[in-house]
Amino acid sequence: DSGVTQTPKHLITATGQRVTLRCSPRSGDLSVYWYQQSLDQGLQFLIQYYNGEERAKGNILERFSAQQFPDLHSELNLSSLELGDSALYFCASSGGAGANTEAFFGQGTRLTVV
Amino acid sequence: AQSVTQPDIHITVSEGASLELRCNYSYGATPYLFWYVQSPGQGLQLLLKYFSGDTLVQGIKGFEAEFKRSQSSFNLRKPSVHWSDAAEYFCAVVRLTGGGNKLTFGTGTQLKVEL
Repeated sequence: DSGVTQTPKHLITATGQRVTLRCSPRSGDLSVYWYQQSLDQGLQFLIQYYNGEERAKGNILERFSAQQFPDLHSELNLSSLELGDSALYFCASSGGAGANTEAFFGQGTRLTVV
Repeated sequence: AQSVTQPDIHITVSEGASLELRCNYSYGATPYLFWYVQSPGQGLQLLLKYFSGDTLVQGIKGFEAEFKRSQSSFNLRKPSVHWSDAAEYFCAVVRLTGGGNKLTFGTGTQLKVEL
């Protein structure tokens, strides 16, 4: 158990809909990262927050947004969903924002868009 | 751009045999390197990391990896594989970006263990 909690574990929704994925980081960790894992793209970095502020951004679609709340949990919002958004979405957390910090991953949320 | 290459998509070894999974990186400075393992339906578990210092690093579950700057490699090894090691293995490098960082992953190596 990494200490990172993601909910829900599975989500099935229709095209055009909006969903929210939730992540609780390990106790004491200030950084939260979101990654997408799909068969065709592999593991792709989406976004990082550190203590409530956005710190790094990857190839995150404009239809996707995220935030980190004062209690440090984070939410990833996916809207106008398309079939191609079906993937495993991972949250990770780490203590710092720099490079020499190891990230611990949650179990992921499997999103299926039908 | 920083990148990670895992040349082997699939590897099959017999239980008890030794294992080496290859990873090559492209990075301008001294890289921070990681190996993660993903079992079916599970998240990513950190096996080991290299930040600096001793180029041979020990990890969990009996794994080790050696950083070779001259070859831009960070290969993962295990002297004797157990059936429970069957999983997908990812090499990753950290890239600093703005005020934060991100992991760039390789495409993964799927390990099958024959009994």
